Amino acid sequence: DARVTQTPRHKVTEMGQEVTMRCQPILGHNTVFWYRQTMMQGLELLAYFRNRAPLDDSGMPKDRFSAEMPDATLATLKIQPSEPRDSAVYFCASGFRVRSYNEQFFGPGTRLTVL
Amino acid sequence: DQQVKQNSPSLSVQEGRISILNCDYTNSMFDYFLWYKKYPAEGPTFLISISSIKDKNEDGRFTVFLNKSAKHLSLHIVPSQPGDSAVYFCAARLNRDDKIIFGKGTRLHILP
Repeated sequence: DARVTQTPRHKVTEMGQEVTMRCQPILGHNTVFWYRQTMMQGLELLAYFRNRAPLDDSGMPKDRFSAEMPDATLATLKIQPSEPRDSAVYFCASGFRVRSYNEQFFGPGTRLTVL
Repeated sequence: DQQVKQNSPSLSVQEGRISILNCDYTNSMFDYFLWYKKYPAEGPTFLISISSIKDKNEDGRFTVFLNKSAKHLSLHIVPSQPGDSAVYFCAARLNRDDKIIFGKGTRLHILP
C-alpha cells in the first residue's frame, strides 16, 4: 500500500528554533509538493519539485524557509528561525503526471506549534 | 487574491439527502478541476475531477458539474452518508501546469 510518509507528525518548539520536516514520496512519483494549511488561508502551496529540481518556491517566505530534495526518496522543509505565525499543519504530496491531469497523493501532515 | 473560492465554510445535510458543495473560480486558464476530501488528522485524498472541456463527471454517489460561463463548479453527493462528513477542498490546475490551487475548504456535516 504505497503512501506518502511524513515525520514528525507533531512538533512543538520555541520561537527562534530550527524546525526540519521530512517527507518520503511514493516510489516512482516525480513531483513533490509542500503545502501549509491554516484556518485563514486554507491550503497554500509553498514549493514543489519535479525530478528533484525545484520548480517553484514562490509561496515560501524566502528568508526563513528552505526546501530541498537530497535524493528521490526524501524531501525536507526547514524553517530557521521559526516564529509563532509558522504554526500550521504542513503537508507533503507527491504525484506523477498522468496524461490528462496530475493527481496528488498527500501525506498525513506535520502539525507544527511554535511557542 | 483567491483564484478558487469556496464561500461556504460549512454545510449541514440530513443523512440520505443530497449534499451540494459549491466552488467559484476566476482564472479562465484552468484546464482541470478537482475535489479533495479531508478527514481530521489525515491528508486530503483525491475524490473526483473534471476536465474543462466537459460539463459533468460522475463516479458512484459523486457528481461534479462545471459551468464554464459562470466559472462555477459544484460537487453533488447523493445520497449523503455519515462517512461523508469531512472537509471538501475544491482545486484547479492551471493550463497543464503541475501546480494545483486550492480553495479554503467547506466542512460538511451529515446529520443522522
